[in-house]
Amino acid sequence: EPEVTQTPSHQVTQMGQEVILRCVPISNHLYFYWYRQILGQKVEFLVSFYNNEISEKSEIFDDQFSVERPDGSNFTLKIRSTKLEDSAMYFCASSAGTGDEKLFFGSGTQLSVL
Amino acid sequence: GESVGLHLPTLSVQEGDNSIINCAYSNSASDYFIWYKQESGKGPQFIIDIRSNMDKRQGQRVTVLLNKTVKHLSLQIAATQPGDSAVYFCAENMRGNAGNMLTFGGGTRLMVKP
Repeated sequence: EPEVTQTPSHQVTQMGQEVILRCVPISNHLYFYWYRQILGQKVEFLVSFYNNEISEKSEIFDDQFSVERPDGSNFTLKIRSTKLEDSAMYFCASSAGTGDEKLFFGSGTQLSVL
Repeated sequence: GESVGLHLPTLSVQEGDNSIINCAYSNSASDYFIWYKQESGKGPQFIIDIRSNMDKRQGQRVTVLLNKTVKHLSLQIAATQPGDSAVYFCAENMRGNAGNMLTFGGGTRLMVKP
């Protein structure tokens, strides 16, 4: 069964450093997403991406965040200057497109900012 | 400092019993609802979905009920098994939402006693 894959599974970084989280969405999907989950809390929407541009973003997704689809298979989330409060599990997801809103999630990248 | 997570409501059931997990959603304009299961250290896993033109939908051992009048969603799991132990999240989507994003609820922890 096709699945969303994320790398790395764990990332430790120093405050102020840049990190790039990587995702390979399901191959025929058109919508891509990043969500995050702080330990013990609910899953929060960050950004959605369609047709090579951001279609919606939350208040969390400020100027420190950016997303990119550098080629036909990868989808990345960059945090330019990490803060302690960016520590969370980051989930990538994808969905097939209009008429099918079912999101498929990857296993996540646990980001720890020290 | 250390972040304090939400205290998740917990449902404890005996193996073989039926489980009912409830969710109150927030947006009366939402027209698509979905239940996810999240096991420790993993991403949300799709269980079942329902559109607002339905009030009940059945899957394998699971049933979702939708009451739009009171904005309430429930997930029923028949003959609960130890492998059903996880945190369950409901999520909602609103038609015309440009980003096709899902908004997640707070989650319920299901514990199945053998």
